Amino acid sequence: DTAVSQTPKYLVTQMGNDKSIKCEQNLGHDTMYWYKQDSKKFLKIMFSYNNKELIINETVPNRFSPKSPDKAHLNLHINSLELGDSAVYFCASSLGTAGANVLTFGAGSRLTVL
Amino acid sequence: AQTVTQSQPEMSVQEAETVTLSCTYDTSESNYYLFWYKQPPSRQMILVIRQEAYKQQNATENRFSVNFQKAAKSFSLKISDSQLGDTAMYFCAFKRIQGAQKLVFGQGTRLTINP
Repeated sequence: DTAVSQTPKYLVTQMGNDKSIKCEQNLGHDTMYWYKQDSKKFLKIMFSYNNKELIINETVPNRFSPKSPDKAHLNLHINSLELGDSAVYFCASSLGTAGANVLTFGAGSRLTVL
Repeated sequence: AQTVTQSQPEMSVQEAETVTLSCTYDTSESNYYLFWYKQPPSRQMILVIRQEAYKQQNATENRFSVNFQKAAKSFSLKISDSQLGDTAMYFCAFKRIQGAQKLVFGQGTRLTINP
């Protein structure tokens, strides 16, 4: 049983296209995140949702739109893809936001924009 | 804003040796959490160890231990009796207790264990 699952794992697309990455967790967590890992392996948070409410929204282009239909799902939609969007996108979840609650990460989705 | 710095982009040791990965951070907060995550070639992010800043005792998990120096804002990871499976990227991360609950990561250290 995969705790945090992301689909697709790999995505190759052309500039200008719109794409989505889906994330689901079966841990009963109420907080979910999207992180971006660039080509230099640097990890940076993009968004966080707690019980379907957006609580963290870093400086991310508005071409990126997260959607959380319920607390077990957090999807990432990207419009008008650009070369610089090529990265690995990680979904993660945690139980609440307080304390040393550990994030459980998905396996990542590698997006390549040509 | 908090920053986390890992000054060693790459390290390489022989199997069974002990290796220490460095991490420093900058914060004005007095209470916070620190973590080490491992990312093997499979790309999966795996928690290695965590430390609460209000605890003076250094955290230990089997062959992994930390040296937490709060005054110096240093949080190094020691891997004893290193194994081939320890080959991975290692990320140090900081998390506030108050305010935005997000992990701030360092740049990572690529560790290679040689047979």
